[in-house]
Amino acid sequence: GAGVSQSPRYKVAKRGQDVALRCDPISGHVSLFWYQQALGQGPEFLTYFQNEAQLDKSGLPSDRFFAERPEGSVSTLKIQRTQQEDSAVYLCASSPKQDFYGYTFGSGTRLTVV
Amino acid sequence: DQQVKQNSPSLSVQEGRISILNCDYTNSMFDYFLWYKKYPAEGPTFLISISSIKDKNEDGRFTVFLNKSAKHLSLHIVPSQPGDSAVYFCAAREDQGAQKLVFGQGTRLTINP
Repeated sequence: GAGVSQSPRYKVAKRGQDVALRCDPISGHVSLFWYQQALGQGPEFLTYFQNEAQLDKSGLPSDRFFAERPEGSVSTLKIQRTQQEDSAVYLCASSPKQDFYGYTFGSGTRLTVV
Repeated sequence: DQQVKQNSPSLSVQEGRISILNCDYTNSMFDYFLWYKKYPAEGPTFLISISSIKDKNEDGRFTVFLNKSAKHLSLHIVPSQPGDSAVYFCAAREDQGAQKLVFGQGTRLTINP
């Protein structure tokens, strides 16, 4: 596609519910990133994939957060047993090279946990 | 521990004047800096970048200045236009092998007609 596509755009989850957020990167982009942006803050790194390999997951805040990219294209960020502090915009970005090249971000998924 | 700081949450500038957005950082290992612009309900879009070996990079109306000794960078927009109204994020890369970026909190720029 022309850009990074994320779905759903908005998600309301009850506390304790599991959620799955999807990212379709730009076709052929090698690198894929997930960031979390809390209200009034800048994006914070969660995890990074190079093709299907998850090379850095140092930003995942707890073991309730899990990300995968099994075929090196679409990625899913899963949050188990959601808590109120998980409420944020989750941004996906992709980059065409394995070397740093700057990102193209998607529009994000706004998750609200009630 | 906020490694990249944008101390001004908001800035209001008259159309046609210069907008100056500031960013400070603490990590001397940062080697590459970027500015992103974000409109509501959209993802951040890349604006301009600078390597730590340079002190200035210019692209049209946008210029980024880097002062390594002060660990400070700034984005100048001149002349400012109404379409420049957005939230601006400063971001830094930790070293040449790194992929992740560290972002500041953002500055909301409003250009008044």
